[in-house]
Formats: sequence, C-alpha cells, structure tokens
Amino acid sequence: KNQVEQSPQSLIILEGKNCTLQCNYTVSPFSNLRWYKQDTGRGPVSLTIMTFSENTKSNGRYTATLDADTKQSSLHITASQLSDSASYICVVSASAGANNLFFGTGTRLTVIP
Amino acid sequence: DADVTQTPRNRITKTGKRIMLECSQTKGHDRMYWYRQDPGLGLQLIYYSFDVKDINKGEISDGYSVSRQAQAKFSLSLESAIPNQTALYFCATRESANTEAFFGQGTRLTVV
Repeated sequence: KNQVEQSPQSLIILEGKNCTLQCNYTVSPFSNLRWYKQDTGRGPVSLTIMTFSENTKSNGRYTATLDADTKQSSLHITASQLSDSASYICVVSASAGANNLFFGTGTRLTVIP
Repeated sequence: DADVTQTPRNRITKTGKRIMLECSQTKGHDRMYWYRQDPGLGLQLIYYSFDVKDINKGEISDGYSVSRQAQAKFSLSLESAIPNQTALYFCATRESANTEAFFGQGTRLTVV
C-alpha cells in the first residue's frame, strides 16, 4: 500500500534554532518527493523537489535530503524564523497511476520568540 | 492575482442544503483536483479531471459531485450537506503527472 508517514506530528522550537522533519514512504514506483509548506488558512506551497538521483537540495534555509534506498526524506530548517511556523507536508509522486500523489499528514512547526 | 482561486473562502451551511465550491485557474493546466483536509489527516482526493470531458472519482467521492465547465474551471458540489463534510477543501492544478501541484487558498466549509 502506498503510504507517506511524517514525524514528529508537531514541534515547538525557539527562534534561531534548527530543526529536522522526517518523512518515510512506501510509494512505488517512485517518481519524486516534494516538501510543501502550508501556512494556517492557506494552500500548500512547494518548497523543494527531490528526484530519485538527488540526495540533497537546498532552498535558502531549507535543505531536503532523500535516501531512495531506505525511502526516507528529511527537511532541515536552519536558523528558524517566526515565519517558519506552518505545517510541512511531504508529498510523494508515483510514476504510475492516474491518482499518483500521496500525502503525509504533515508536521506542525511552531517557532516561538 | 492568485494562480488558483477558490470561492467562497468560508461558508457555513445547514444540513441538507446544496452547496457549490468553485475553482478557477490561470496556469493553463489540463489537470485539476479537489481535495479535502481534516485535522490530523493528509489531503484526501475527492475528484479529479484531466480535461473538460474527463471526470474521475477519487478516494472519497461519496456525497460529492463535480463539473468541469472549462479548462480553467472546476466546481465541487455537495448535493445534500451533512456535518461530517465539515472540512477544509482545496482545489489544485498540475501540468502533468509528475509536476508540481498548485493549490488554491482553500474553502473552509462548516455544515451545522
């Protein structure tokens, strides 16, 4: 069964600290993995995409990693800011099937001053 | 203007009423989707459409119907709303199977 699991469910950190969010998936055949940021009351917005051949990709203070062998991804946020408070959703695309997007339940990050 | 626009943004309706949620996009994408988001759950697919003449059921289509009026417009209807349809609803578009999904701002629907 194609599934995407994220941990932790929620996280509270102090402004300026780093944090790492985890995503494990069983989606097959794998096409790509995206991390989305969803601000409260808004739609998700893509932060980064990881394909099978990529191990690490950075987007400003966000760094995503992918281990296709163990089917794990992480999103590392450096020097957190209050505006990083949001839900972060891991979304995996399968390379087959009409309905090929599989969503994690998200990690709710709260950055406090 | 947003690439994907949903209306209304918020709606409170009574049990048994018919309600329509509308979505329009300026991305020029053929693929459009309706998702439902409940607290603690991942986005669940209600319906999707790959072109104007194509409508497909998703995981949780019971109690919902859709209409693809044009490439840019995809509406979701609840024929007879019930309280457990209270949720956040998102419309999304994609250019193709493995490209980024662009989401609307969401419609918060409350059925009382």
